[in-house]
Amino acid sequence: KNEVEQSPQNLTAQEGEFITINCSYSVGISALHWLQQHPGGGIVSLFMLSSGKKKHGRLIATINIQEKHSSLHITASHPRDSAVYICAVEEGGGADGLTFGKGTHLIIQP
Amino acid sequence: GEEVAQTPKHLVRGEGQKAKLYCAPIKGHSYVFWYQQVLKNEFKFLISFQNENVFDETGMPKERFSAKCLPNSPCSLEIQATKLEDSAVYFCASSHSGRFNSPLHFGNGTRLTVT
Repeated sequence: KNEVEQSPQNLTAQEGEFITINCSYSVGISALHWLQQHPGGGIVSLFMLSSGKKKHGRLIATINIQEKHSSLHITASHPRDSAVYICAVEEGGGADGLTFGKGTHLIIQP
Repeated sequence: GEEVAQTPKHLVRGEGQKAKLYCAPIKGHSYVFWYQQVLKNEFKFLISFQNENVFDETGMPKERFSAKCLPNSPCSLEIQATKLEDSAVYFCASSHSGRFNSPLHFGNGTRLTVT
């Protein structure tokens, strides 16, 4: 069973700061997902990656398969980025389901 | 539709009652997944479907939980004889294919409260 660890669990930062959230896992995977859960509970898929780096707007996700580690970065953070960020991994073909980290609760203060 | 639609948004059941949750995946998506979020951020995979066929049900407490995805109907997750510990938010997600290069789209969840 894959163990997915996220750090930090909670993060409070000032608007404009560069944010890094880390995710490590214990067993080789086929893909890793970064999800954003809004305060209202809705979930948005931010990234799905199996190697390298992806960028979307102010968000950047990287993965190092050898080290079993991924990071999610937010540049020029804004209060609207306040949410829970969840790392999830899949080991098989995808339809086996995901194993989730416990999430990082991010608060960006104006 | 263009989004995963889950109904109802909230559901309250007395302990021992039946609960039934529905999920309409995005049109054209062949894979449907159910997840349970018991505590804030603690997610658990329940079951996945490829069209109407169960793909993986290793997360399902089979004695009380069942799920279906029938053609031309929303998928459903049913809990017989609910228990207090079933109180959770149940998320449905769909994807075009089950492969890792197909993004997941999540519904907004159904909050089940068992009293």
